[in-house]
Amino acid sequence: GAVVSQHPSWVICKSGTSVKIECRSLDFQATTMFWYRQFPKQSLMLMATSNEGSKATYEQGVEKDKFLINHASLTLSTLTVTSAHPEDSSFYICSARDSSSSAYEQYFGPGTRLTVT
Amino acid sequence: QKEVEQNSGPLSVPEGAIASLNCTYSDRVSQSFFWYRQYSGKSPELIMSIYSNGDKEDGRFTAQLNKASQYVSLLIRDSQPSDSATYLCAVNRGFQKLVFGTGTRLLVSP
Repeated sequence: GAVVSQHPSWVICKSGTSVKIECRSLDFQATTMFWYRQFPKQSLMLMATSNEGSKATYEQGVEKDKFLINHASLTLSTLTVTSAHPEDSSFYICSARDSSSSAYEQYFGPGTRLTVT
Repeated sequence: QKEVEQNSGPLSVPEGAIASLNCTYSDRVSQSFFWYRQYSGKSPELIMSIYSNGDKEDGRFTAQLNKASQYVSLLIRDSQPSDSATYLCAVNRGFQKLVFGTGTRLLVSP
């Protein structure tokens, strides 16, 4: 149980274009999902908390107009990197929390490696 | 002071030994604690959660929590080369999000 998928697993795009990443909870419902970014040899950095049916909460320093988050259902959240630039190249990972659980475990997706050329 | 502190390592242990990974946290109201394993190039995988003082065992893994000392540890018995990874300590303060440490890199040599 507690499986989270991400799509695509990797993507290469040109500077100035937009990229959408999907995060799905496969066997549980997730009112709350989280988006992280990780640069090589660095720790996870939380970008935003995605709440089903409401606006995402962004961490300080994360541009909400650049990283658009939509949590349209209890099993799907999407992150769109708009007008991507080479410095946005990173490993983007989502996680989800089981809505039916009182615990705070987060289950991570396999990640999406974004390269902006 | 960081909210969650871990020694970056690497911690090197021979195969079959016990690996001891440590984590301290600064906020006394922290309620739940997690250990994640992250292989290079992969996403984190939850291996243990602990909520109350004492020990919690799951197979070769034992998590230990001491809230008075604000300290949580992970013991890996009979370490295997496949245990070589970065281990992330995460703390929840009663809100949705987790605060992660920077991780300890474990190397298990055959």
